[in-house]
Amino acid sequence: NAGVTQTPKFRILKIGQSMTLQCTQDMNHNYMYWYRQDPGMGLKLIYYSVGAGITDKGEVPNGYNVSRSTTEDFPLRLELAAPSQTSVYFCANRDRGAAEAFFGQGTRLTVV
Amino acid sequence: DQQVKQNSPSLSVQEGRISILNCDYTNSMFDYFLWYKKYPAEGPTFLISISSIKDKNEDGRFTVFLNKSAKHLSLHIVPSQPGDSAVYFCAASRVTGNQFYFGTGTSLTVIP
Repeated sequence: NAGVTQTPKFRILKIGQSMTLQCTQDMNHNYMYWYRQDPGMGLKLIYYSVGAGITDKGEVPNGYNVSRSTTEDFPLRLELAAPSQTSVYFCANRDRGAAEAFFGQGTRLTVV
Repeated sequence: DQQVKQNSPSLSVQEGRISILNCDYTNSMFDYFLWYKKYPAEGPTFLISISSIKDKNEDGRFTVFLNKSAKHLSLHIVPSQPGDSAVYFCAASRVTGNQFYFGTGTSLTVIP
């Protein structure tokens, strides 16, 4: 029972490159989230999904895209990496009706 | 607009003493408040929550107090242990909403 799994753990990208941050869960929770955490800041919501086939924007969606074709997977896509996207990215899930969310271990992304 | 605020970036406490972490919020419609603990290079882990209909919730050494009139909550850790050294995030959500709002975190250091 792995919970929420993110890959990769670390990545360095050049400006303008693209990549996909992977997130998968084995908890069968409906809700999934992508957050970013910048130094000294709280977690900012990028995108979220309330179920397969449904996604919605959070506070800071610009420069990102997501998809939710299955309950298990919620990948985050960066099309044209920019230095402002240097951050630690966390994927999380939550069961419907539950208060708490469960987080993955994070992906540290550096754009140079 | 920061709806959840943690105004103390850091806190140091002697082992065995009480740690008190504070959090303020602006949205009176929040239904749940949560505390997460985060170690370096790991994702946040759920610690304790409280519903807006309660004013106290206790779980072992951890107690959360909610003062709705002041829009303030606090986390008490008694007695504090060196393993409690981590960053603590306060978060809030609405039952009818789909996202969490996080504070900027308080770094707790428990000195042996």
